[in-house]
Amino acid sequence: DTGVSQNPRHKITKRGQNVTFRCDPISEHNRLYWYRQTLGQGPEFLTYFQNEAQLEKSRLLSDRFSAERPKGSFSTLEIQRTEQGDSAMYLCASSLNSGNTGELFFGEGSRLTVL
Amino acid sequence: AQSVSQHNHHVILSEAASLELGCNYSYGGTVNLFWYVQYPGQHLQLLLKYFSGDPLVKGIKGFEAEFIKSKFSFNLRKPSVQWSDTAEYFCAVRGSNYQLIWGAGTKLIIKP
Repeated sequence: DTGVSQNPRHKITKRGQNVTFRCDPISEHNRLYWYRQTLGQGPEFLTYFQNEAQLEKSRLLSDRFSAERPKGSFSTLEIQRTEQGDSAMYLCASSLNSGNTGELFFGEGSRLTVL
Repeated sequence: AQSVSQHNHHVILSEAASLELGCNYSYGGTVNLFWYVQYPGQHLQLLLKYFSGDPLVKGIKGFEAEFIKSKFSFNLRKPSVQWSDTAEYFCAVRGSNYQLIWGAGTKLIIKP
């Protein structure tokens, strides 16, 4: 399967711990997005990269959240000092840089539970 | 601020019934409109999209949607649903900031 891959699929952690999620996009896609989804809601935009450059961050992304895409391929999303409110599904998507028409291809998500 | 409203959070239909899921958005400029679907246990995938031209767009699996600019709507339709259409459906809008704004989703259950 050459789709978007995310791991881990599930992470249970205690409040205050740090967690890191990884996303491997479709290989020829130069745009990569992170979203957060909570129960009963649609995805909320967190940040996106074009190649290795982080071009936009949502106001939702507090200082405890950091994302990187060091070589323009895979990306990591780290959450420091997790809080119970961080419990959510974290989605990664990728697309080709084709102006505004690029379709987003999503991974299956990483579900975070903070106890 | 841009927003997307999906009127029904849960819809239950019998097989062969007709389907219409509502989507309204708030943004006065040029928009790109999308419907994504998430089947149980699977990732989000694109069902159909509208950028310009014919306001009636056809997608995969017999779905279609109509963009009505005057009503700020992009409703999803299917003439005859199947059990395999059971899924969650999300409407999304891309506006001036090029980011997708998503509706809260509609969970569709088809009774066999």
